[in-house]
Amino acid sequence: GNSVTQMEGPVTLSEEAFLTINCTYTATGYPSLFWYVQYPGEGLQLLLKATKADDKGSNKGFEATYRKETTSFHLEKGSVQVSDSAVYFCALTSNQAGTALIFGKGTTLSVSS
Amino acid sequence: KAGVTQTPRYLIKTRGQQVTLSCSPISGHRSVSWYQQTPGQGLQFLFEYFSETQRNKGNFPGRFSGRQFSNSRSEMNVSTLELGDSALYLCASSLGPGQGARTGELFFGEGSRLTVL
Repeated sequence: GNSVTQMEGPVTLSEEAFLTINCTYTATGYPSLFWYVQYPGEGLQLLLKATKADDKGSNKGFEATYRKETTSFHLEKGSVQVSDSAVYFCALTSNQAGTALIFGKGTTLSVSS
Repeated sequence: KAGVTQTPRYLIKTRGQQVTLSCSPISGHRSVSWYQQTPGQGLQFLFEYFSETQRNKGNFPGRFSGRQFSNSRSEMNVSTLELGDSALYLCASSLGPGQGARTGELFFGEGSRLTVL
């Protein structure tokens, strides 16, 4: 079945540093891919998405490109801020349960000033 | 517009007991999904309800059950609690069945943190 592998954290960066969080997936068919973010004390919220190969999702300075050839959907940001400190989850649509999302384990990002 | 509301936020139970968690979706959303979040297994899908019917179920034992009411509010129940059931239980709402998973437009509550002693 579909699955997601996400880089282990925590990731610790200084403000204005470049961020990459790796995400690879295994899937049959063409699932949609997502990045969700969980800020401290808040629920998960959708950060960005891509629905087909070569699509680039972007939001709040974050970007991720749906790479079918490498089965990847890495999250990047050119200059992180302290307010970006959160847990980031890569996710895709389950193929067995088309109404469910399969999430990676999450990567904790801590940005210091 | 109010978000997804989950109650209680925190609770402590002992092994063998049962627990009921409640979720009120965003107004106008008719689909409710439940996920379990643990440090070891991450986020795992439990089930989805739409129009008071379970549409899909994840790979969890029968001790985990749920229901949805006519006003779209949902409850989940875990019977005969085990230590491994300690987790953050997240509820998410979307407009229609499967829509959240297809579009990512899934709105999560802050969760109910269950500790089983």
